[in-house]
Amino acid sequence: GAVVSQHPSWVICKSGTSVKIECRSLDFQATTMFWYRQFPKQSLMLMATSNEGSKATYEQGVEKDKFLINHASLTLSTLTVTSAHPEDSSFYICSARDRRDTQYFGPGTRLTVL
Amino acid sequence: DAKTTQPTSMDCAEGRAANLPCNHSTISGNEYVYWYRQIHSQGPQYIIHGLKNNETNEMASLIITEDRKSSTLILPHATLRDTAVYYCIVRVGGGNAGDMLTFGGGTRLMVKP
Repeated sequence: GAVVSQHPSWVICKSGTSVKIECRSLDFQATTMFWYRQFPKQSLMLMATSNEGSKATYEQGVEKDKFLINHASLTLSTLTVTSAHPEDSSFYICSARDRRDTQYFGPGTRLTVL
Repeated sequence: DAKTTQPTSMDCAEGRAANLPCNHSTISGNEYVYWYRQIHSQGPQYIIHGLKNNETNEMASLIITEDRKSSTLILPHATLRDTAVYYCIVRVGGGNAGDMLTFGGGTRLMVKP
């Protein structure tokens, strides 16, 4: 199957700082990428849909000014958590959709905000 | 409203076939059935998907009933590494117009020696 990478795999930051997470499709181009968040013992929750060259579409309850998404190329989308707080600590996972409409997921980024 | 219903958990003996059921009684004619799994602390892994015909690949087989109201994912020879949460998801397919994936609770499969 297709490969999606995320960087970093984990990050610890102080409250109030910003953190950028990168999502790359390594062997295919992805017009659309998705960002999910998963809290312990819960299922994945979609945060936003990222379309190359246009603004992201955010799910209800997700603050677009706090979770900045940039999809500047067909292989890269970034999620920046601005002014992070302890309640933003979570497992952030991206996915990329290939031409056959199948989504492939990255390995996830564990964010811990102190 | 949940589009799929799966058992919360299942056990399977190593080397045996694991049969994971999924009910999707309100599935529409243009909705596909997708299966993903998530091993602890990793991103979900795509397994297989189908519309109405049974499908098989190197990982698993997908059996969809004729009325499409339910399906079964079959792992023919389960190993300890197949221990994971398995998600059955229905979504509209067909190119870039497809819906996003919505994850429910899934089935926690425990493969035991």
